[in-house]
Amino acid sequence: NAGVTQTPKFRILKIGQSMTLQCTQDMNHNYMYWYRQDPGMGLKLIYYSVGAGITDKGEVPNGYNVSRSTTEDFPLRLELAAPSQTSVYFCASSGASDTGELFFGEGSRLTVL
Amino acid sequence: TQLLEQSPQFLSIQEGENLTVYCNSSSVFSSLQWYRQEPGEGPVLLVTVVTGGEVKKLKRLTFQFGDARKDSSLHITAAQPGDTGLYLCAGGNAGGTSYGKLTFGQGTILTVHP
Repeated sequence: NAGVTQTPKFRILKIGQSMTLQCTQDMNHNYMYWYRQDPGMGLKLIYYSVGAGITDKGEVPNGYNVSRSTTEDFPLRLELAAPSQTSVYFCASSGASDTGELFFGEGSRLTVL
Repeated sequence: TQLLEQSPQFLSIQEGENLTVYCNSSSVFSSLQWYRQEPGEGPVLLVTVVTGGEVKKLKRLTFQFGDARKDSSLHITAAQPGDTGLYLCAGGNAGGTSYGKLTFGQGTILTVHP
């Protein structure tokens, strides 16, 4: 019962470093999302994808990039890490639009020092 | 930009008490979902409501969607320590370019003491 798998679970970066958060799902879902969660702020959408080769910006895309080469994988790239990117990142997938349930990974806690 | 305001932000109660969490917006949503999140894990869906005035029950949890589809509430009867967690409401829109994107409230941290 893998569902949505995120790696790494924890990471500490120095300012200016780059890294990729990996996300893979085994439910054959077309829709995938990256959210960030900050205390008292709920979840904010960073990027989303409606299928392989198609991605679009969410509410807070600055400083991030994504790609979707396969249905299963949706990595999130941070090019020049900044302290403002310290957060918990969640990848999610959905098999349907509108009222479809979002299935979340366990999250990746990123600290930028 | 659509916003969802949740209240209260924090709730600390004793086992056996009742509580209500509110989720309000000035915008109309096609659907409203409630998620529960435990520390170190991702949110897990509790319920989806799609019709104005709809009421759904899940054991001791009662969810209601406002008649105008701008607000929702979660009521827990006789809370138990196992109900402790972060509760998130999330609004969705149908059709067009919605693509299942959700707008989340800030969350309510519930602590139920034995």
